[in-house]
Amino acid sequence: AQSVAQPEDQVNVAEGNPLTVKCTYSVSGNPYLFWYVQYPNRGLQFLLKYITGDNLVKGSYGFEAEFNKSQTSFHLKKPSALVSDSALYFCAVKAAGNKLTFGGGTRVLVKP
Amino acid sequence: DAGVIQSPRHEVTEMGQEVTLRCKPISGHDYLFWYRQTMMRGLELLIYFNNNVPIDDSGMPEDRFSAKMPNASFSTLKIQPSEPRDSAVYFCASSLPSRNRGEKSPLHFGNGTRLTVT
Repeated sequence: AQSVAQPEDQVNVAEGNPLTVKCTYSVSGNPYLFWYVQYPNRGLQFLLKYITGDNLVKGSYGFEAEFNKSQTSFHLKKPSALVSDSALYFCAVKAAGNKLTFGGGTRVLVKP
Repeated sequence: DAGVIQSPRHEVTEMGQEVTLRCKPISGHDYLFWYRQTMMRGLELLIYFNNNVPIDDSGMPEDRFSAKMPNASFSTLKIQPSEPRDSAVYFCASSLPSRNRGEKSPLHFGNGTRLTVT
């Protein structure tokens, strides 16, 4: 079985400061890893993915994530957070087949 | 591209009534997923289809829930009879064809249907 853990329910950061949202996963085999963002009353929007290759992947809106196989982690980062980054963030993993399993989500609050 | 289209956006119904949620996937996508989102349980995969065929329905809560995909451009999720614990936001998502390594592709989500059962 595959699973994803997002250990923080909420992350608070001041605008302009770096933002990190943590994610660890558990799968059998090579993982496909994804980050999504959800704004109020909207569906999830794809931010970035890791399939293979470079461990550092870059995505939309200045976000990036680092795949760490030994720590089974895929933390989401942004060097300088914006107030508009305030939203709910989901990490997800896909192993065999096409079944995407999501973490519980982390609410990010960026304060001006 | 209009994206994944779900209807209705909001549904309020009484316990015991039948509820039908609708989804139109992105044209050319041949995977379709139904998820349910609640505060308590987060995002749960209910069922997914490939080429209109149900592949995994292990997440469907019970026999009151059923899903169909009669053609490549339409899917329904039906709850009969509905109960207050079914109150949630239901999302439909689609992704690229399996011939294009769809399993490595991100899902594209609709804006969801917020269901309230009183």
